[in-house]
Amino acid sequence: QKEVEQDPGPLSVPEGAIVSLNCTYSNSAFQYFMWYRQYSRKGPELLMYTYSSGNKEDGRFTAQVDKSSKYISLFIRDSQPSDSATYLCAMRDIQGAQKLVFGQGTRLTINP
Amino acid sequence: GAGVSQSPSNKVTEKGKDVELRCDPISGHTALYWYRQSLGQGLEFLIYFQGNSAPDKSGLPSDRFSAERTGGSVSTLTIQRTQQEDSAVYLCASSFGWNTEAFFGQGTRLTVV
Repeated sequence: QKEVEQDPGPLSVPEGAIVSLNCTYSNSAFQYFMWYRQYSRKGPELLMYTYSSGNKEDGRFTAQVDKSSKYISLFIRDSQPSDSATYLCAMRDIQGAQKLVFGQGTRLTINP
Repeated sequence: GAGVSQSPSNKVTEKGKDVELRCDPISGHTALYWYRQSLGQGLEFLIYFQGNSAPDKSGLPSDRFSAERTGGSVSTLTIQRTQQEDSAVYLCASSFGWNTEAFFGQGTRLTVV
């Protein structure tokens, strides 16, 4: 079993829809959570960073962390064609290994 | 520049040759990571440097892979005797500390022919 599980999709939705992207994890030591967006042939771009349970909002993006369920989500409101990309979740624990552990990534397409 | 810089952006090499990939982290960042991304796959951890601590090399796939970080700044990833399965995008990231956001470069696309 992978430490971080993420549905690879692909996910295709109409413009303006609310998108929900999710990751589950098994390591209860994970305390720092990130979401990255990666366009084709580009490096991952940091979207959201959080280290506590609850919600964090930035514009059309909301990151949600539920440590009790070992489940994180990224919501995109009013989705735009420019949001079409691969979204990667990443997490890191606070002791022991300090590397970032990534999900497989979800490929998202927003259709005009 | 303000971001993580990687060079070259593309590298084509013959099987059996050695290659060196370079990463310039964001100034002041003490943590540096190398990851590998094969076509359509997620990011595979290779190695992690944090300040003057011994690097975490647990992700290096074989002894053909090595990395160093000189003066706590620039890092070089070396792949010896390249194989076709080494073809991938090699990504470097840096962060101010182990508990802060990590920012990625654009990657080096390595093709072994």
